[in-house]
Amino acid sequence: GAVVSQHPSRVICKSGTSVKIECRSLDFQATTMFWYRQFPKQSLMLMATSNEGSKATYEQGVEKDKFLINHASLTLSTLTVTSAHPEDSSFYICSARTGFGRAGNTIYFGEGSWLTVV
Amino acid sequence: AQSVTQPDIHITVSEGASLELRCNYSYGATPYLFWYVQSPGQGLQLLLKYFSGDTLVQGIKGFEAEFKRSQSSFNLRKPSVHWSDAAEYFCAVAQAGTALIFGKGTTLSVSS
Repeated sequence: GAVVSQHPSRVICKSGTSVKIECRSLDFQATTMFWYRQFPKQSLMLMATSNEGSKATYEQGVEKDKFLINHASLTLSTLTVTSAHPEDSSFYICSARTGFGRAGNTIYFGEGSWLTVV
Repeated sequence: AQSVTQPDIHITVSEGASLELRCNYSYGATPYLFWYVQSPGQGLQLLLKYFSGDTLVQGIKGFEAEFKRSQSSFNLRKPSVHWSDAAEYFCAVAQAGTALIFGKGTTLSVSS
């Protein structure tokens, strides 16, 4: 079946640095990718929606200059957390949607990336 | 705006007992509905989904869910719970082409 791969699965970075998380659709072309953030013992909160070749659409309260999303190809989207702070420590999960209409609601999730900012 | 409510934060059931996790949604049209399970420190696994058709949906691991339009509900059920079912369960809703919106989740504990 379709697989969405995230890398790295775990990353520790120093406060003030930037870290990039990749989300790849391995065997299908993802027309749209979504990025979620999940704090411990909480639900997944949608951060942004990205369509290949266009700017991401951010949810209210998500700083677009801090969380840079690039969707340069139909198989790759990246989330860069810039100037990371300890409060950015979280579980980041991407999902990829293939197609449009009813078929387009086949959505696959990556395995998630744990970010710890020290 | 669409929303998802999972009224139960934490449920404990005995191993072998039946399970029902509640999910209510708020949406103008018939949404697409999903149930996911998440083990500690892990990603999401899709249990089942409803797009249209038969309102009783069968999923993996012996789970099923029933869409009830009149109640705006999509409750998840399992006739006999196993200890390995202990996890966090999320109900989610979407419309065509949009991102999934998740409920706050229900933690399932299984007692022996």
